[in-house]
Amino acid sequence: SHELTQPPSVSVSPGQTATITCSGNSFPRQYAYWYQQKPGQAPALVIYKDDERPSGIPERFSGSSAGTTATMTISGAQAEDEADYYCLSADNGGYRVVLGGGTRLTVL
Amino acid sequence: EVHLVESGGGQVKPGGSLRLSCVGSDFMFNKYNMNWMRQAPGRGLEWVATISTSGTDVYYGDSVKGRFSISRDNAKNSVYLQMDSLSAEDTAVYYCARVDYDVLIFAPDFWGQGTLVTVSP
Repeated sequence: SHELTQPPSVSVSPGQTATITCSGNSFPRQYAYWYQQKPGQAPALVIYKDDERPSGIPERFSGSSAGTTATMTISGAQAEDEADYYCLSADNGGYRVVLGGGTRLTVL
Repeated sequence: EVHLVESGGGQVKPGGSLRLSCVGSDFMFNKYNMNWMRQAPGRGLEWVATISTSGTDVYYGDSVKGRFSISRDNAKNSVYLQMDSLSAEDTAVYYCARVDYDVLIFAPDFWGQGTLVTVSP
């Protein structure tokens, strides 16, 4: 079982807003990180420290955290955003990584 | 751009051992904590282990504690994962990952392409 809870799947039409939640006792004390993984590829960081975006990640990707839930939003999802998304954080002691089970985003 | 290249994967029998290697380049390797992560076929991501910049401090996921050992050689820009007492449940793609700088959690910011470990008779 996973210590962070994500919906297994989210489906949106192109141009719509996709919202993926990640719930767990790690928040709000610990940061949330989000990763995108396309088939056959390694994961790639898309959001770090709750709401920061690495260079090269489109502005349509954003993150937030409130209470025990972290959220990643894709505003105006595109077909190329179709992928599995994982959230990651730490337990409250900080020395153990915890992950969500992943959310498959479908854009069609 | 950061590069991480894993090697050492392959097929091994249950109860056997394997040693994975990862070489990092295009960043100051000795300034970063490093992770091993894994992903079983069709499954989600799992944290395996973390090693501090000097190698002094190591941390393990519950499922590998006592069987796996992480180490590093900063002179070779390399991190290793020694895996003993392997079982079918260890079958996965193993990823080497650099840990985000100056944060208190072991969150990766860059990942290698992975190496496949298959444990079967």
